[in-house]
Amino acid sequence: RKEVEQDPGPFNVPEGATVAFNCTYSNSASQSFFWYRQDCRKEPKLLMSVYSSGNEDGRFTAQLNRASQYISLLIRDSKLSDSATYLCVVTGSGGGADGLTFGKGTHLIIQP
Amino acid sequence: GAVVSQHPSRVICKSGTSVKIECRSLDFQATTMFWYRQFPKQSLMLMATSNEGSKATYEQGVEKDKFLINHASLTLSTLTVTSAHPEDSSFYICSARGEDFEQFFGPGTRLTVL
Repeated sequence: RKEVEQDPGPFNVPEGATVAFNCTYSNSASQSFFWYRQDCRKEPKLLMSVYSSGNEDGRFTAQLNRASQYISLLIRDSKLSDSATYLCVVTGSGGGADGLTFGKGTHLIIQP
Repeated sequence: GAVVSQHPSRVICKSGTSVKIECRSLDFQATTMFWYRQFPKQSLMLMATSNEGSKATYEQGVEKDKFLINHASLTLSTLTVTSAHPEDSSFYICSARGEDFEQFFGPGTRLTVL
């Protein structure tokens, strides 16, 4: 079983729509969770951290369910500039002391 | 956010040659840096953890004699791909860990081995 699983997509959605991504992770000892964004042929950039209480940053909302080992990202009022690959990322039991484990990413295409 | 640079951004080399990639933290000191590799349409995979002043820790399946890592200062880690072969062609990305454990990524190095 892969450590971090995501639906690869692509998700083709019209501008202004709401889109949701899901991710599951296998290591129950994982301590920290993130969503990164990666544009084509670029390095990943941190979008937001994910907390058990859920967190929101503008149009983006992330949620974590530790019992189900499930992470989600919701994007409201999507913009053309949101087109990218969204990477679900977890750390191991060492928290941020160790490297990150990336999912393969979900490719999002926002259409005008 | 903090700035991490990588050099070169792109390299094309012949099979059998060695390639050195530099990763620098420009505005902070990083005792720990990480090296990742990303093949087309695949996820980033952690190759090794680079610790300043000590030996790197390699992930399972990564040959330490092929991917030499040196972290001689708090702002510089280097990855040398020795005797590169076409299957080593990939996107190599480093990250530097800040004080609060956030990782800042370099822009990546695209290696093509002919």
